[in-house]
Amino acid sequence: DQQVKQNSPSLSVQEGRISILNCDYTNSMFDYFLWYKKYPAEGPTFLISISSIKDKNEDGRFTVFLNKSAKHLSLHIVPSQPGDSAVYFCAASANTGNQFYFGTGTSLTVIP
Amino acid sequence: EPEVTQTPSHQVTQMGQEVILRCVPISNHLYFYWYRQILGQKVEFLVSFYNNEISEKSEIFDDQFSVERPDGSNFTLKIRSTKLEDSAMYFCASSELPRLAGFGANVLTFGAGSRLTVL
Repeated sequence: DQQVKQNSPSLSVQEGRISILNCDYTNSMFDYFLWYKKYPAEGPTFLISISSIKDKNEDGRFTVFLNKSAKHLSLHIVPSQPGDSAVYFCAASANTGNQFYFGTGTSLTVIP
Repeated sequence: EPEVTQTPSHQVTQMGQEVILRCVPISNHLYFYWYRQILGQKVEFLVSFYNNEISEKSEIFDDQFSVERPDGSNFTLKIRSTKLEDSAMYFCASSELPRLAGFGANVLTFGAGSRLTVL
């Protein structure tokens, strides 16, 4: 039961260019979405969130876009930096409980 | 910056043995969670805990699993009789408020994880 899907297991981008990470979900009850970044041997670190009342949220180089009709969200990183190389997880939750559902992650490599 | 700490970082055990994974959540957080990630798969929710009791649990969290907060700081996950398929990275997380408190109030802060290998 994969309610949150990240269909690209990996992505490589040149330093300075834009990185776009995608996430799809199936549960129409999801109304709160988070992106986490994970370095090897560390736990996931919160990056940015968006609620269903918005379609865009921006924080510095990171912007998350939400398309509710398509049940799709994306994380844009611009400009990409080598330190952004990590695994990025999309997570979603509904207001019916405290559980977050995670995707399988996308491994981003930013090439200097 | 406050952090969630987990011990041990890696544990190897024989099938059928009991394992206890320990976590120290952030001190002013009230909600505690265990997640796990089997290699190459998604991060899966196991259980959430508030006010000394389980508030939610997944289908994975069967009778072999238990959680407790034995004192004011530790939050533990016990697996009574480990199986090969329990091999995974187990993440503890905590949040100040629950998801139901509203948007932005309940970001989970994760620990670095405990890798469990069952032989």
